[in-house]
Amino acid sequence: DAGVTQSPTHLIKTRGQQVTLRCSPKSGHDTVSWYQQALGQGPQFIFQYYEEEERQRGNFPDRFSGHQFPNYSSELNVNALLLGDSALYLCASSSRDRVWYEQYFGPGTRLTVT
Amino acid sequence: AQKITQTQPGMFVQEKEAVTLDCTYDTSDQSYGLFWYKQPSSGEMIFLIYQGSYDEQNATEGRYSLNFQKARKSANLVISASQLGDSAMYFCAMREPYSGGGADGLTFGKGTHLIIQP
Repeated sequence: DAGVTQSPTHLIKTRGQQVTLRCSPKSGHDTVSWYQQALGQGPQFIFQYYEEEERQRGNFPDRFSGHQFPNYSSELNVNALLLGDSALYLCASSSRDRVWYEQYFGPGTRLTVT
Repeated sequence: AQKITQTQPGMFVQEKEAVTLDCTYDTSDQSYGLFWYKQPSSGEMIFLIYQGSYDEQNATEGRYSLNFQKARKSANLVISASQLGDSAMYFCAMREPYSGGGADGLTFGKGTHLIIQP
């Protein structure tokens, strides 16, 4: 049973560029959440997708957008990259009826903006 | 105000000793969930234990237990018989209801860096 997978593992981009990160949820899960973890900090909630729609959103600008596909996989897009966007981006999945007490994380994508 | 407060930035503990990692939280909701995660240097967040606000018993999962004191808004993680492999960052997190229905994203504390010494 595959867990949550994310790609790529590492990424280096230049300020102003755009980036797309990908996530496949754990088998049987239909809800995907994205988190940003800056160095030395706890993760911060970006948004959550269910039924291909953004359902909840944290305090992040519109430069951060996402998408969920019919197979429940998800993408996180960040436009006009800033140096401050350098972080570990974590994807987490759960099933909708267990979302209150279940959230499994992937290994993360480490984004460096230069 | 911080929603999740972890007051121990770092801890050194001797192998085989019990460890208590502190977590206090702030919410006005009656229904909420509390989580503990372990994050090794590899970066992956590993789920350890969950406590619901209405659960009357303290949660336990193997060597992990959660000391839930609702009136004090405290949810400390206890690791019994610590092992060298327990060395990692530990995060306390809370889930609250979302105004539009359902559960909101997790709110994390700043974490505690636990180092187990032989």
